[in-house]
Parts: sequence; structure tokens; C-alpha cells
Amino acid sequence: GDSVTQMEGPVTLSEEAFLTINCTYTATGYPSLFWYVQYPGEGLQLLLKATKADDKGSNKGFEATYRKETTSFHLEKGSVQVSDSAVYFCALSDNGGSNYKLTFGKGTLLTVNP
Amino acid sequence: KAGVTQTPRYLIKTRGQQVTLSCSPISGHRSVSWYQQTPGQGLQFLFEYFSETQRNKGNFPGRFSGRQFSNSRSEMNVSTLELGDSALYLCASSSTGTSQYNEQFFGPGTRLTVL
Repeated sequence: GDSVTQMEGPVTLSEEAFLTINCTYTATGYPSLFWYVQYPGEGLQLLLKATKADDKGSNKGFEATYRKETTSFHLEKGSVQVSDSAVYFCALSDNGGSNYKLTFGKGTLLTVNP
Repeated sequence: KAGVTQTPRYLIKTRGQQVTLSCSPISGHRSVSWYQQTPGQGLQFLFEYFSETQRNKGNFPGRFSGRQFSNSRSEMNVSTLELGDSALYLCASSSTGTSQYNEQFFGPGTRLTVL
């Protein structure tokens, strides 16, 4: 079945540091890939997405590129802010058969210190 | 446009009881999905409804059930509650009506505590 593996946290960075959160996936078809963010006490918000190989999703300074050859979708940001502190989830949706559900990674807690 | 709303936001129940959670999707969205979030298992898919029909179901026991009404609002029910059912239950809505995947928008969740 489909699965998503992302780096375990927690990740603690100083403000303006570079961020990378690794994500790899296993899927039978050609999935769409997503990064969601969850702030304390809130639901999930879509951060960015990519629907085919070599697509780059970007939003709020975050980027991730769909790499089919390495089955990866790593999240990066050049300069993090305290307000980026949250839990980040990598997810996929298989566009083959059952495309009505998201399969999530375990989540990575990011803490950014001033 | 109003977002996905879930009620109640917090619930405390005891073992053996049953509970019903409600989700109102974004206006115009016809698909509603439910997820369970726990520290140990992470986010797990429960089921998805579209136009009052369950289209997909995750690997949860039959104690977990759901339904969708003609106005697209959805409810999920958990019977004979167990301690392990304590979780954040998230609802997500999507406009999807075709095979093309559409973005899912999440509500704030219902925090269920089973004592």
C-alpha cells in the first residue's frame, strides 16, 4: 500500500536558519504530493502541492520538488521565522484508484527560536 | 467563504458510551473525509463520503461509522468507546466530483477524550 516516510523530529532551529525536512514515499500509481502544516490547537492547512514529476510547489517561502526518480518531496525554506514553528506533514494522494484519501507521514515538529 | 466547521470542539466521554461528531463542509463542496489523529499512529483515514455515499473506508473497526446528508453535512459516530479512541478527529471537505484530485480543506477538529 501507499506510505509516506518523513524525518523524525523534533527539529529546533534559530531564526533565519535554513530548513530541510525530508520526505520519501511509496505509491503504486502516480501520486500527487502535499505538505500540510498544523499550528498548535488548529487543523491542517495546505502549505504546497505538486501533482506530477519535476513540479515544484511553493508558498510562503517554502518549496518542495516532486522527484519521481528518488520518490522524494523534501520541504525547504531558506530563512525560517519564529512564526514557522508548527508540525509539518508530508502526504500523498494516489491519482490511480482510490484518490479520495490522503496518506500522511508521522509529522515533524519544528521549533524556531528567536 | 466560510471554512470547514466541526462541532463540538471538545468532548469528554467515558468508556462504553457512544459519541457523534458533526462536520459542515465548505459551501459547494460535496466530498467529506474524516481522519483520526493520535500521537502514536499519526493521521489515519477513516472514511470519505460524496453525495451521501461512502466511497472509501480506512482500516477501522465497525464501531466507527459515518453518514452524509443531502446538504453535504456529515456526522461520524463511534459506539462503545474505548480509551484508545481518544484522539483529534479531523474533517476535510473537497469539491471533487471527478477522478482528478482536488485539494482537501481541513476543519479545526474535535478533541475527544475517553475516560
